[in-house]
Amino acid sequence: SQQGEEDPQALSIQEGENATMNCSYKTSINNLQWYRQNSGRGLVHLILIRSNEREKHSGRLRVTLDTSKKSSSLLITASRAADTASYFCATDGGRDDKIIFGKGTRLHILP
Amino acid sequence: GAGVSQTPSNKVTEKGKYVELRCDPISGHTALYWYRQSLGQGPEFLIYFQGTGAADDSGLPNDRFFAVRPEGSVSTLKIQRTERGDSAVYLCASSFEAGTGTLEQYFGPGTRLTVT
Repeated sequence: SQQGEEDPQALSIQEGENATMNCSYKTSINNLQWYRQNSGRGLVHLILIRSNEREKHSGRLRVTLDTSKKSSSLLITASRAADTASYFCATDGGRDDKIIFGKGTRLHILP
Repeated sequence: GAGVSQTPSNKVTEKGKYVELRCDPISGHTALYWYRQSLGQGPEFLIYFQGTGAADDSGLPNDRFFAVRPEGSVSTLKIQRTERGDSAVYLCASSFEAGTGTLEQYFGPGTRLTVT
């Protein structure tokens, strides 16, 4: 079963705009991670946020975590064509070390 | 440095046959994970190794699926009596020793399995 659930399922925006994706999960966690998957390629780790952190930045990426609402958001600023990909949140379930992925948000950057 | 490698990249097999999928993790990574991913879905957890032992195999769908990691490095996912529903991309990932909470995982390119 999948713990995380991303929203929206698909998102199309103009190049240069900001893209926001959300993730909700069900059980307590130690960490939440975001991954990117380009079409036909492997998953690439983007950022990890721990349960005691509320916000984290990495380049054009900003991740927030609200453990009271069991939700996280990924913001990509000043989007580029190369950002076109599927984005997945992954949570560790709190008590063990396996991580569970959501179904992903398919982001399409329009030229 | 070398990343996670998986072989073969593509495998086509007939229903009922046996297949083995191989994963070579990053050197020094003690944790190794297997996932499978169907089209339009996120990766689905299958099994995770810490060293040589399977720490969690709760994601294996049935007893046709089995995985080993005899020396704590290379792992092989074995599927017996394959069914068409087994068709998917099988992903392998590795990470440094998982402690409290899971660390960043490095994924291989996957093996695309097609059962005809």
